[in-house]
Amino acid sequence: AQKVTQAQTEISVVEKEDVTLDCVYETRDTTYYLFWYKQPPSGELVFLIRRNSFDEQNEISGRYSWNFQKSTSSFNFTITASQVVDSAVYFCALRSRRANSKLTFGKGITLSVRP
Amino acid sequence: GAVVSQHPSWVICKSGTSVKIECRSLDFQATTMFWYRQFPKQSLMLMATSNEGSKATYEQGVEKDKFLINHASLTLSTLTVTSAHPEDSSFYICSARPGGQALTEQYFGPGTRLTVT
Repeated sequence: AQKVTQAQTEISVVEKEDVTLDCVYETRDTTYYLFWYKQPPSGELVFLIRRNSFDEQNEISGRYSWNFQKSTSSFNFTITASQVVDSAVYFCALRSRRANSKLTFGKGITLSVRP
Repeated sequence: GAVVSQHPSWVICKSGTSVKIECRSLDFQATTMFWYRQFPKQSLMLMATSNEGSKATYEQGVEKDKFLINHASLTLSTLTVTSAHPEDSSFYICSARPGGQALTEQYFGPGTRLTVT
């Protein structure tokens, strides 16, 4: 069975602050994918990143960075110098690399960035 | 990137009526499509997985007679909510996975907000 835990439910920061969204996962599969999605108030899911389980390199994309630690089964997401437009619900998700596997979502973290 | 559309984006219907939601992959062929349901302030819940040309596989607790899914072509899947009731009001999201590439990410539609009065 797969499980994704996003222990933080709501985070509120002031613009320009850095914020880290935590994600811890459980899986019995040895190969899998991890994802982060953003869901703004409009509702549409925006794909942010996919990470292979065998690739533990951290990734940076502009103000976004991801820290994958296989030893602690965590895939944390940091937004540097947050902006009001970053306000959204962020979902971490997990999927096995087996064919026809399903995507398992965490409960999501609501991030509010105040001006 | 790949685009998935949904129609309508929102719909209001009366209790007891049926409503159909369409999901299309616009620039790729999707052998597998997924339907999710999302209640306010909650996560996405997978309702069913449909493969083109075959019957959908429903998740435990999802009534297959109430939520009819048809995946008649490689670019179109439909979800019909039959005899809708107010508790069916929710945000329905479809997702499509390109054919022959089981290891790729899924592409999500923009969602359909259903309100049953």
